[in-house]
Amino acid sequence: DAKTTQPNSMESNEEEPVHLPCNHSTISGTDYIHWYRQLPSQGPEYVIHGLTSNVNNRMASLAIAEDRKSSTLILHRATLRDAAVYYCICCGQNFVFGPGTRLSVLP
Amino acid sequence: DAGITQSPRHKVTETGTPVTLRCHQTENHRYMYWYRQDPGHGLRLIHYSYGVKDTDKGEVSDGYSVSRSKTEDFLLTLESATSSQTSVYFCAISAGQLGTGGNEQFFGPGTRLTVL
Repeated sequence: DAKTTQPNSMESNEEEPVHLPCNHSTISGTDYIHWYRQLPSQGPEYVIHGLTSNVNNRMASLAIAEDRKSSTLILHRATLRDAAVYYCICCGQNFVFGPGTRLSVLP
Repeated sequence: DAGITQSPRHKVTETGTPVTLRCHQTENHRYMYWYRQDPGHGLRLIHYSYGVKDTDKGEVSDGYSVSRSKTEDFLLTLESATSSQTSVYFCAISAGQLGTGGNEQFFGPGTRLTVL
């Protein structure tokens, strides 16, 4: 069973920021939080990961709550190419991919 | 892009026949994984390998076997395919442990298997 909870779907307008939430209340001190996304007809691709501190890379930012029981993936300016299923993964030696959040980006 | 290929990319077979899917990597990563993806289920781990000849079961391993005789290849075998094994199969690799290891996982392009 997935150890994370995400909304089933979200919508955003193009060029606006998107905040994708994830709850992982069973996280332990050594568990990383990973985000992947899956574009239509492709395999998942890595987006970002973090342990305790907020993280930034060229694709996104990851904001981790102080108690680490939740996190938010931030896409600073959504594009049509960002429409995908976003998976938040945590809390186990092997990855468990839940249903994720399906992000729709409206032009 | 990580060097991961899967073969075949598409296969149609009949119930009861054996099927082998191949995952090949050029990254020299230690860990390799097989997942299946079905509508409404996300990705589910079938088996994984943490080194040559070292494998373990995942969440949905019944009806599947794997082998890893060299670092670069990880084979998934359906000994006697059933219609419930119709799915898209993804291979993945990672340099080290996931979860507590903080390692990234890289995925192949997938194999679409249809069992009639």
